[in-house]
Amino acid sequence: GQQLNQSPQSMFIQEGEDVSMNCTSSSIFNTWLWYKQDPGEGPVLLIALYKAGELTSNGRLTAQFGITRKDSFLNISASIPSDVGIYFCAGQRGSGGSNYKLTFGKGTLLTVNP
Amino acid sequence: DTGVSQNPRHKITKRGQNVTFRCDPISEHNRLYWYRQTLGQGPEFLTYFQNEAQLEKSRLLSDRFSAERPKGSFSTLEIQRTEQGDSAMYLCASSPTGGSREQYFGPGTRLTVT
Repeated sequence: GQQLNQSPQSMFIQEGEDVSMNCTSSSIFNTWLWYKQDPGEGPVLLIALYKAGELTSNGRLTAQFGITRKDSFLNISASIPSDVGIYFCAGQRGSGGSNYKLTFGKGTLLTVNP
Repeated sequence: DTGVSQNPRHKITKRGQNVTFRCDPISEHNRLYWYRQTLGQGPEFLTYFQNEAQLEKSRLLSDRFSAERPKGSFSTLEIQRTEQGDSAMYLCASSPTGGSREQYFGPGTRLTVT
């Protein structure tokens, strides 16, 4: 099935550093969601974006909905060891029928060195 | 805890056996989704319910798979005549009707087919 292009595939950083990752698509989405997944667990919703150009923060996390509606970005500032995990972007086309389903990227594996 | 719950968390079965998983969504969430996640990939959409009506099924959902949500509350996903390729994490998510497009995931059921 279709998946979004998410990069980088993995990152290894030092505690305290900032992190940026992004997600691109050939199709337009009307909602972008960012999730974090720990091993053996389900994805946990971090941030939801609903409008092109929107910039939303959740603590040290900031995400942006690209102006073309084909991309999104997630930044983590001042990383800490508990930020370790896999971060997924997901796009949703909107309301009605199949538009509710989420299309996911392959994830960015983040490792934080204390 | 009022989040999405899934049972069992782990299932090991022999090829050819039938398995059934259960998902209990967040209370009063009308929409329920099933996704499948294999190693190194993001979740992929399988099927979606609004109340008790199954509104969409992915091509990934072969005729060996069936999902139900008989009373519009919990849902079950059954796989008949399991194959080794069915080994994956099966994730359930729910969302409310109305304007919110956010989906909240359960912890998943890890299926291993030997």
